[in-house]
Amino acid sequence: DAGVIQSPRHEVTEMGQEVTLRCKPISGHDYLFWYRQTMMRGLELLIYFNNNVPIDDSGMPEDRFSAKMPNASFSTLKIQPSEPRDSAVYFCASSLGEGQARILYQAQHFGDGTRLSIL
Amino acid sequence: RKEVEQDPGPFNVPEGATVAFNCTYSNSASQSFFWYRQDCRKEPKLLMSVYSSGNEDGRFTAQLNRASQYISLLIRDSKLSDSATYLCAVNPGFSGGYNKLIFGAGTRLAVHP
Repeated sequence: DAGVIQSPRHEVTEMGQEVTLRCKPISGHDYLFWYRQTMMRGLELLIYFNNNVPIDDSGMPEDRFSAKMPNASFSTLKIQPSEPRDSAVYFCASSLGEGQARILYQAQHFGDGTRLSIL
Repeated sequence: RKEVEQDPGPFNVPEGATVAFNCTYSNSASQSFFWYRQDCRKEPKLLMSVYSSGNEDGRFTAQLNRASQYISLLIRDSKLSDSATYLCAVNPGFSGGYNKLIFGAGTRLAVHP
């Protein structure tokens, strides 16, 4: 079974450039999550979608960050303009989420992540 | 106070040892609980869900204590390959956002020969 697929695996770019991270969730999953992980702050939820609709973007650090999910099989996280403090590993995860009583449906499955370095 | 707290460790244990981690959560309405394992420079991977009655998967046992608002993970007969960071994750329930998970900072385990 194909898991969550993220691209690129690594991105190194200069400050001020636009960065676009991509994610393909597991087929049939209707929740998609974007996280950022750093040593200092751990794993932080940035935004999540249900059936392609953004549900909670309270974790998005500032207006430089935006996320879209144009269809059930694709999402992007964009940073424009990028800054050195945005350097982190960005993970995408997906889950089924149907039937809140079914605990296993809430378990999230992560992609390999994108290691982002802003110089 | 953080929503989900873990002892960062590291826990340094010899092979064969039994080790236990705790994770406390602040939202009493939290609905479901998970343990994830994360290897260095890798993504978090689901280790096990935590059921109200406690559950076991081989050498791993997870327990939930709703009264004291913590979950635990017990690893018996530790292997070198168990060395990783263990993250607990809590679904805060309807009031906190159904279907999202709040992660702890993780507890690092190092198993040595």
